Amino acid sequence: DAGVIQSPRHEVTEMGQEVTLRCKPISGHNSLFWYRQTMMRGLELLIYFNNNVPIDDSGMPEDRFSAKMPNASFSTLKIQPSEPRDSAVYFCASSLVLAHTGELFFGEGSRLTVL
Amino acid sequence: AQSVAQPEDQVNVAEGNPLTVKCTYSVSGNPYLFWYVQYPNRGLQFLLKYITGDNLVKGSYGFEAEFNKNQTSFHLKKPSALVSDSALYFCAVRDEYNFNKFYFGSGTKLNVKP
Repeated sequence: DAGVIQSPRHEVTEMGQEVTLRCKPISGHNSLFWYRQTMMRGLELLIYFNNNVPIDDSGMPEDRFSAKMPNASFSTLKIQPSEPRDSAVYFCASSLVLAHTGELFFGEGSRLTVL
Repeated sequence: AQSVAQPEDQVNVAEGNPLTVKCTYSVSGNPYLFWYVQYPNRGLQFLLKYITGDNLVKGSYGFEAEFNKNQTSFHLKKPSALVSDSALYFCAVRDEYNFNKFYFGSGTKLNVKP
């Protein structure tokens, strides 16, 4: 399996622009997570989906952030409009949630820089 | 509430020496514990996990971790460190009552010097 695939790996944009990050989870995994990593705040859970349904979006910082999972093999995280403080590495992770034993599998991340 | 603490921001060790990266946890139910490693500009990679059974868990790259219920700890260990082990290490606990929730520690930077 190719693992969790994220795109783009790097994104540089200007303040006010729309940013869309994409994720393809591991085939067969039924849970998908979006995390954000910064030096100041460490690893933060933004939102997670179970069977394509958003379960908990309490970590989404503002209404400027939205996430969708239209099918089991694709998810997007959108920021509109973007701001410099959104600069971070965004990780997608997936897991097979049948019990408590499954671990998370992370993608390589999307490094976002908002100028 | 569930939480994980990694008391050391950084651990320095000489190559060939044993290493320990500390982790303590707080959970209301049974602990499901994980260690991840992150190399520069890479995603987090799973190293090992404790679910139940033997308190000493063996994982990837020669790492192992010891679960101690009395001390609520899950320290990561390796008998002989390699320079290539230098990376950021994260401890995590999974919520028994909401198993979609993983709680990550703040991370410990391991520096292995030649």
